[in-house]
Amino acid sequence: KQEVTQIPAALSVPEGENLVLNCSFTDSAIYNLQWFRQDPGKGLTSLLLIQSSQREQTSGRLNASLDKSSGRSTLYIAASQPGDSATYLCAVKGANSKLTFGKGITLSVRP
Amino acid sequence: DTAVSQTPKYLVTQMGNDKSIKCEQNLGHDTMYWYKQDSKKFLKIMFSYNNKELIINETVPNRFSPKSPDKAHLNLHINSLELGDSAVYFCASSQDHGYNEQFFGPGTRLTVL
Repeated sequence: KQEVTQIPAALSVPEGENLVLNCSFTDSAIYNLQWFRQDPGKGLTSLLLIQSSQREQTSGRLNASLDKSSGRSTLYIAASQPGDSATYLCAVKGANSKLTFGKGITLSVRP
Repeated sequence: DTAVSQTPKYLVTQMGNDKSIKCEQNLGHDTMYWYKQDSKKFLKIMFSYNNKELIINETVPNRFSPKSPDKAHLNLHINSLELGDSAVYFCASSQDHGYNEQFFGPGTRLTVL
């Protein structure tokens, strides 16, 4: 059974800092990995999708990497801004086509 | 333009009632999903439909019945609501059931009193 872990559960950083959010998963037989952002009381916004054959994806200040063999992904956020404050969720899609989510990391960027 | 929409956004009801949540996507996707986010914010898949056909049915009480009248709609009907059903329910869609990105709706917050 796939398990996705995101540690720590919460993170507070000053504005301008570069930061890395970690995600680990137990079963390396995945189709892809997706990073989402969730604002309080809102739905999920897809940030980046990495296919199992890829090593990384970039979008603006965001860069996500995937090391399938070790069961790890990182989301790198450059020059963080207060508007980046949200909960970041990692989810993996397995051979059963199910998307399994981590519990998320709640990020607070202080002005 | 809204890609994945859900109605209602909030739903407050009494135990024992039956209620429905509607979901529509205008992305032309073949696959739609229902997820439940509990009070601890943990998101878990409930169902997925591909071209109106049920693909994934997690261990969900049979009081929950999804219905897909066409591939752009996936509604969730819940019978005999219980306190433990209180959660945020998210609808999502993807191009197909394989490798593609999933897009989520804004969620429906269900509160059972």
